[in-house]
Amino acid sequence: AQSVAQPEDQVNVAEGNPLTVKCTYSVSGNPYLFWYVQYPNRGLQFLLKYITGDNLVKGSYGFEAEFNKSQTSFHLKKPSALVSDSALYFCAVRDPDRGSTLGRLYFGRGTQLTVWP
Amino acid sequence: DGGITQSPKYLFRKEGQNVTLSCEQNLNHDAMYWYRQDPGQGLRLIYYSQIVNDFQKGDIAEGYSVSREKKESFPLTVTSAQKNPTAFYLCASSYGRGGPSGELFFGEGSRLTVL
Repeated sequence: AQSVAQPEDQVNVAEGNPLTVKCTYSVSGNPYLFWYVQYPNRGLQFLLKYITGDNLVKGSYGFEAEFNKSQTSFHLKKPSALVSDSALYFCAVRDPDRGSTLGRLYFGRGTQLTVWP
Repeated sequence: DGGITQSPKYLFRKEGQNVTLSCEQNLNHDAMYWYRQDPGQGLRLIYYSQIVNDFQKGDIAEGYSVSREKKESFPLTVTSAQKNPTAFYLCASSYGRGGPSGELFFGEGSRLTVL
């Protein structure tokens, strides 16, 4: 079965400090991993994805994520947080080896990030 | 600009009424999806469609119905059989021929409240 866990419901950081939003996954094959951000009453916006290659993936708005196969993790990071980064963040996974699930993403429950001035 | 349009943004319904949420995309994407979002529960898949005139149930399809008569459109009907329909509904699409590495593109959502 495919699943994603975001162990923290909330993350609070001060502006200018580095931030990390954690994600662990479970798939039977090699995973495709995604991060999305959601602002209040809006749809989800794509941030970045890991398909293959370099374990460090760079995305939109200065975010990056590190794929760690041994720890089955895909944590989202940013070196210096902004107040405007405050939002709900979702990690998602797809198992490309399962053809019947082509296109489907499995989402975590989300982590609310608050960056205080 | 290309994108996904959901309407209405807000909808109120009385118990026992069916309601249809619209989702239109002009991205020329093959696949379309409906997700339901409840606080603290993340996104749960209701239905998805990979090609016109074909769709599959997701994890919480009971009480919902869809159609895919055109590539651009994937409306969702919330029927009176859905026991707890108050939620935020999100439509998404992806470029199916890009394979499983393609990300989903989301609309702005429709918030349904049952009175």
